[in-house]
Amino acid sequence: QKEVEQNSGPLSVPEGAIASLNCTYSDRGSQSFFWYRQYSGKSPELIMFIYSNGDKEDGRFTAQLNKASQYVSLLIRDSQPSDSATYLCAVSSNDYKLSFGAGTTVTVRA
Amino acid sequence: EAGVTQFPSHSVIEKGQTVTLRCDPISGHDNLYWYRRVMGKEIKFLLHFVKESKQDESGMPNNRFLAERTGGTYSTLKVQPAELEDSGVYFCASSQAARGTQYFGPGTRLLVL
Repeated sequence: QKEVEQNSGPLSVPEGAIASLNCTYSDRGSQSFFWYRQYSGKSPELIMFIYSNGDKEDGRFTAQLNKASQYVSLLIRDSQPSDSATYLCAVSSNDYKLSFGAGTTVTVRA
Repeated sequence: EAGVTQFPSHSVIEKGQTVTLRCDPISGHDNLYWYRRVMGKEIKFLLHFVKESKQDESGMPNNRFLAERTGGTYSTLKVQPAELEDSGVYFCASSQAARGTQYFGPGTRLLVL
């Protein structure tokens, strides 16, 4: 079983729609959860982090965490073509070592 | 403020050769990490430095890999001798605190032929 699993892509959404990305993790001791965005050939860029159960909103992005279900998601509202990228879910149980999912590629159609 | 930089951006070497990758973290960041993404796989943790000390090298695949961070500034990752399965993208990241945001470099794309 993989430590972190993401819904397989690619995910194609029309401009202005909501993109929904899902991630599950196997280590019940995980404490920190991150979403990174990576444009092709570029470095992963942190866009959201969440530590507590519930929702966390930052602009057009909302992260949702459910530790009981070992599930974390990312919603991108009002998707823009510039949101087209690979989104990486990362989980940490010890505050520094990140375990990544394989990533979900999102394409926003204009 | 300059971000994490890595050199070289690409490296193509033959099996059995040696390659050294360099990472310059963000100035003032004591924590430095190496990760690797091999083709079709997830990004995997290799090791973690706090200043010049290795805190966790549990992700290093074998003894052909040697990481150093002399003086607690830049770090090098040497692969000797390189094997075909070492091909991938090697990322470096740094953070101010161990629980802080990890800022990633652009990666070094290594191809072993």
